[in-house]
Amino acid sequence: KNQVEQSPQSLIILEGKNCTLQCNYTVSPFSNLRWYKQDTGRGPVSLTIMTFSENTKSNGRYTATLDADTKQSSLHITASQLSDSASYICVVSAGGAGGYQKVTFGTGTKLQVIP
Amino acid sequence: EAGVVQSPRYKIIEKKQPVAFWCNPISGHNTLYWYRQNLGQGPELLIRYENEEAVDDSQLPKDRFSAERLKGVDSTLKIQPAELGDSAVYLCASSLAVVLEGTDTQYFGPGTRLTVL
Repeated sequence: KNQVEQSPQSLIILEGKNCTLQCNYTVSPFSNLRWYKQDTGRGPVSLTIMTFSENTKSNGRYTATLDADTKQSSLHITASQLSDSASYICVVSAGGAGGYQKVTFGTGTKLQVIP
Repeated sequence: EAGVVQSPRYKIIEKKQPVAFWCNPISGHNTLYWYRQNLGQGPELLIRYENEEAVDDSQLPKDRFSAERLKGVDSTLKIQPAELGDSAVYLCASSLAVVLEGTDTQYFGPGTRLTVL
């Protein structure tokens, strides 16, 4: 069964500090991994996407890494801002090109940035 | 460009009542998804459409849930009758193509928060 586990469940950090969120997955065959940001009361918004051959991808202050061998990914947030307060969801797609990719969502990490 | 539009944003009903949600995807997106998201959880797929065809409805509780996408554009999701456990956020998403070398990014609407009393 495809699973995506995220840690920690929740995190509180001071504004300006860095943090790293973790994602472990057991999805096969792996196609791609995305990190989404979901603000309270809003739908998720894609931050990064990485395929098998990519091991890092940046989007501003967000940097995602992927280790396909250990099936782990991390999302690093640099110099956090109050607007980074949100849930961060790791999403892994299984399947190959030419067919439908089955998507598995993690439960998310709820990040709160405080002044 | 307008994003995925959903209505209503909030709905409160009593159990055993029917309820319907509406979604208008991004123009040109032929794939449409309905998800249910419980508090503190990630979204769970209910149904996926390719144009007007439901190609994955394996997680849709068919005894009380139904969905349609008649013209391959907007879609409705219905629950009849609603139960207490149906309280959740119902998210609609759309994407341009099912598979495009792994870049089928889904764009989500704001969701409909359903409360069943």
